[in-house]
Amino acid sequence: RKEVEQDPGPFNVPEGATVAFNCTYSNSASQSFFWYRQDCRKEPKLLMSVYSSGNEDGRFTAQLNRASQYISLLIRDSKLSDSATYLCVVEKRGDYKLSFGAGTTVTVRA
Amino acid sequence: NAGVTQTPKFRILKIGQSMTLQCAQDMNHNYMYWYRQDPGMGLKLIYYSVGAGITDKGEVPNGYNVSRSTTEDFPLRLELAAPSQTSVYFCASSFLPAGANTGELFFGEGSRLTVL
Repeated sequence: RKEVEQDPGPFNVPEGATVAFNCTYSNSASQSFFWYRQDCRKEPKLLMSVYSSGNEDGRFTAQLNRASQYISLLIRDSKLSDSATYLCVVEKRGDYKLSFGAGTTVTVRA
Repeated sequence: NAGVTQTPKFRILKIGQSMTLQCAQDMNHNYMYWYRQDPGMGLKLIYYSVGAGITDKGEVPNGYNVSRSTTEDFPLRLELAAPSQTSVYFCASSFLPAGANTGELFFGEGSRLTVL
């Protein structure tokens, strides 16, 4: 089983729509979770950390479900500029390493 | 602000050649990392460093070497290039350890390497 699994998509949505997708992780001891955004042929950049109580950053909402070992990302009122690949990143408990998912691609169309 | 700078951006190597990917950061971060990204796969950690003079292997270190003589620089050496090393390489740095819940990795723009 992969350490972090994501639906690769692509999720094709119209502007203004809401899109949501999940990521599952295998290590129940993981403590830190993140969503990174990667534009085509660019470097990943931190979108947001994911906290136990869930958190929002503008149009983006992240949730953590420890019991089922998944995190989710919801994008409201999608913009063309939201088109990117979203990487789920999970800490490997006890060392300096992170596990990266392969990414979920979102394409927002006009 | 320069952040993390990688060179070269593109390189084509022949099988058996060697080269060094350069990485420099100007944020005074202690933690630095080298990742590779293959199509359809998550980033894989090659080597990392927690400070000048200290390096350690990641998940996929075979065929690579690193050094960390200064806080700023973390070069990655490919010895005897093989087609399996064709990939996009990202250098990253962080103020806190990568797994810290308030941590953030700052990535360079990447180096696209093709081995033929």
